[in-house]
Amino acid sequence: TQLLEQSPQFLSIQEGENLTVYCNSSSVFSSLQWYRQEPGEGPVLLVTVVTGGEVKKLKRLTFQFGDARKDSSLHITAAQPGDTGLYLCAGARDAGGTSYGKLTFGQGTILTVHP
Amino acid sequence: NAGVMQNPRHLVRRRGQEARLRCSPMKGHSHVYWYRQLPEEGLKFMVYLQKENIIDESGMPKERFSAEFPKEGPSILRIQQVVRGDSAAYFCASSPFSKGTDTQYFGPGTRLTVL
Repeated sequence: TQLLEQSPQFLSIQEGENLTVYCNSSSVFSSLQWYRQEPGEGPVLLVTVVTGGEVKKLKRLTFQFGDARKDSSLHITAAQPGDTGLYLCAGARDAGGTSYGKLTFGQGTILTVHP
Repeated sequence: NAGVMQNPRHLVRRRGQEARLRCSPMKGHSHVYWYRQLPEEGLKFMVYLQKENIIDESGMPKERFSAEFPKEGPSILRIQQVVRGDSAAYFCASSPFSKGTDTQYFGPGTRLTVL
């Protein structure tokens, strides 16, 4: 069962354009983490959002956690070729009485920014 | 502060051999998670360990796979009698605590190829 639906799966845009990646679920998450993964490397953490409605900014990247903690979005302003990569959202859920952070990953979004 | 370390980075095995993947968590982190990334698929949780304890192995295949995190030394993911379907990237992540709000930091991965 896929608990996190990430969209779009592929995104190809020109330098300077804006874009948004979505991560949706019917489940409530304790936290939502966004990672970026380069080919041949492990996921690198971009941000962790914890509170419903939370908005975090990292330079040109804006992350939002839904009020109900079931969805999240990543918005990139004025994309640059250096933003090219695989973006992953991952949610952690408390598991009935035992709280731990096993992550459920979305399918990923492959972003290509053309100069 | 060194990040999560994994070795080897690349491992080639013939069918029927054993594969041992090692993970040293970040300093101060006592919680280790293993994930597998199959070609064209997202990351899937395999197992969560604390020192000398397996907390959740719900993502581990029932046969041939085992994991440990001894009191001293790295965590080890062991795959016995490897088959071609085991070819994948295996990632280790660590966190300082086990709450669902805690961030996990990933290693660079071990890429296993089964010939």
